[in-house]
This record gives sequence, structure tokens and C-alpha cells, in this order.
Amino acid sequence: EVQLLESGGGLVQPGGSLRLSCAASGFTFSSYAMSWVRQAPGKGLEWVSAVSGSGVSTYYADSVKGRFTISRDNSKNTLYLQMNSLRAEDTAVYYCAKDHTATLVMGNWFDPWGQGTLVTVSS
Amino acid sequence: EIVMTQSPATLSVSPGERATLSCRASQSVSSNLAWYQQKPGQAPRLLIYGASTRATGIPARFSGSGSGTEFTLTISSLQSEDFAVYYCQQYNNWPLAFGGGTKVEIK
Repeated sequence: EVQLLESGGGLVQPGGSLRLSCAASGFTFSSYAMSWVRQAPGKGLEWVSAVSGSGVSTYYADSVKGRFTISRDNSKNTLYLQMNSLRAEDTAVYYCAKDHTATLVMGNWFDPWGQGTLVTVSS
Repeated sequence: EIVMTQSPATLSVSPGERATLSCRASQSVSSNLAWYQQKPGQAPRLLIYGASTRATGIPARFSGSGSGTEFTLTISSLQSEDFAVYYCQQYNNWPLAFGGGTKVEIK
């Protein structure tokens, strides 16, 4: 069974940093691209970032470009999201999700999703 | 950047009735469209990809159609467990984009 378990969320002040992790199991991690998707309280879904199976290719939403960095450690079956210069509008539940291919030649659909980790940016 | 627009925002339906949800893309996404279901407090679940292919384990009452810029998710006979929020997502172009969601509520 594929499982994705996010961690690292919490309360952080504006301008602060946080690193999210997503531990994956039940599939060959390096064979799939992975993504982060967030959901602000009471709002819809917003794609944040994607990384290819090899970790070489990455994509970012304009709203986080230059502030967030996606990465992965295939030896540890773990996906990361380093978030710097955090703003109040980054407050959301952050989900990691498994893409359906290894590459990012084009985008992917997501299946499955983790249960999410809440990030709150507030003073 | 492609903008995805879903309508209606809220759909009130009685159990056993058909629900039809719409999703429109601001430019063609071919058939590169997925649908997700999200229940309160839960992560989204993939229902449909490739505009019309049901994901593993998804009941046949869920069907997707469309291509280009106009897409439809149909739930043929609503069950109690189907009352939820539904999102479409295009994966034809970067950045990936979701629609704003349609909440299907009990009438």
C-alpha cells in the first residue's frame, strides 16, 4: 500500500523558515515525480511545486518561486519542501502527492495524497 | 497561465439524483484533466484522469467527459458518501492549476 506521511508543519513568524518532509513507502520512490499542493483554511487547492523522480527537474508556482525549494532524497524515500521568507498568505495545509510518472515533460495528476501538515505563519 | 473555472460553486442534489459538474479551462488542455473528491478533514482523492478514465477503485457512477476547454463530471445516482467538494485540475501546461471547486450538498 502506498503511504505518504508529511511532517514539519507548525507555527512560524513572518519572514521565518520551515522545512517540510514527506516520508514515502509502498512504491519505488525514485520512479515517480512528487509534488506539493497546499490548501489555505476554507479555500481551494493550489499546486506549489513538483520534482522529477531523479530530482534533476523542478517546477514552482509563481507565488513561491525564489522562496521555496523542493528536493528529494531517494536513498531515504523522502520528499522535502524548504520554505523561506514565509508570509501570512503561506498559511495552509501542505499535502505531498505522488505523480503518475517519473518525468516532468508535462504535468501529472496526483494519486495518492498524504494527510497533510499545517503551516501557520503568524506573529 | 491557464485558469480553471468550475461551476456551479454549490450544487444541491437529493440522494439518488444525478449531479453534473462543469469545469472550463481558459485555453485548451487537450484531455489532460483530472477530477478529485475531497471530504471535510480529508485529503483529496483522485477520481478521474485523462478527462474520462476512472481511477482504480472508483465506482462506475462517476464519469468524466470533455476535451479542449470544456469538461464535465457526472455522478449518475448520488450516494450519501458522495456529498463532498470536487476539484478539476489541468496538467497540460506549467504551472499546474486547480479549479475553485464545486460543493455537492444534500438538498
